[in-house]
Amino acid sequence: DTGVSQDPRHKITKRGQNVTFRCDPISEHNRLYWYRQTLGQGPEFLTYFQNEAQLEKSRLLSDRFSAERPKGSFSTLEIQRTEQGDSAMYLCASSFPGSNQPQHFGDGTRLSIL
Amino acid sequence: QKEVEQNSGPLSVPEGAIASLNCTYSDRGSQSFFWYRQYSGKSPELIMSIYSNGDKEDGRFTAQLNKASQYVSLLIRDSQPSDSATYLCAPPGNTGKLIFGQGTTLQVKP
Repeated sequence: DTGVSQDPRHKITKRGQNVTFRCDPISEHNRLYWYRQTLGQGPEFLTYFQNEAQLEKSRLLSDRFSAERPKGSFSTLEIQRTEQGDSAMYLCASSFPGSNQPQHFGDGTRLSIL
Repeated sequence: QKEVEQNSGPLSVPEGAIASLNCTYSDRGSQSFFWYRQYSGKSPELIMSIYSNGDKEDGRFTAQLNKASQYVSLLIRDSQPSDSATYLCAPPGNTGKLIFGQGTTLQVKP
């Protein structure tokens, strides 16, 4: 069990640039979740996949955000035309299917917008 | 009303004492609860899950769930300085997404 892996760990970019993050879930898990966390707050749900299907997206996920999981394994989260308010920790988690299954988090990607 | 409410703290306890962390939630349909520990600058780490009313013990940790009162708590016995962290309560929504509270910051003083 290699755990959930996220890349990069840190990303610094200028406002207006596009960024892409990658998440590799635990291999046996077919659910993959993305969350965003700002300082002093709990993580907020963004979107989740079961296998390759994106089943839910939060209202927080503006049209500048897009997520994919093309082969049901790794996932990418892209933010276009980044804004100052996008600065946050982006967390990926994976689990077995079912609402009672615990989710295991990766180390996260910290995004800083200059 | 927020979906999940936790006292942000900080909750300060002396080393060796019992730390009591509380969480209330609004969704009466919630069937399970997860407690995560998050060290500063790190990602959340699952420490306890509880699915039915009553107590569940795991080492120094005890989770208590009262669905009628929509209340879940985490007790940490023999608190250690290494327990100093933010503790997040998270019931899953119907689709499995976790709904986090703000978290309670625990400080264990040597």
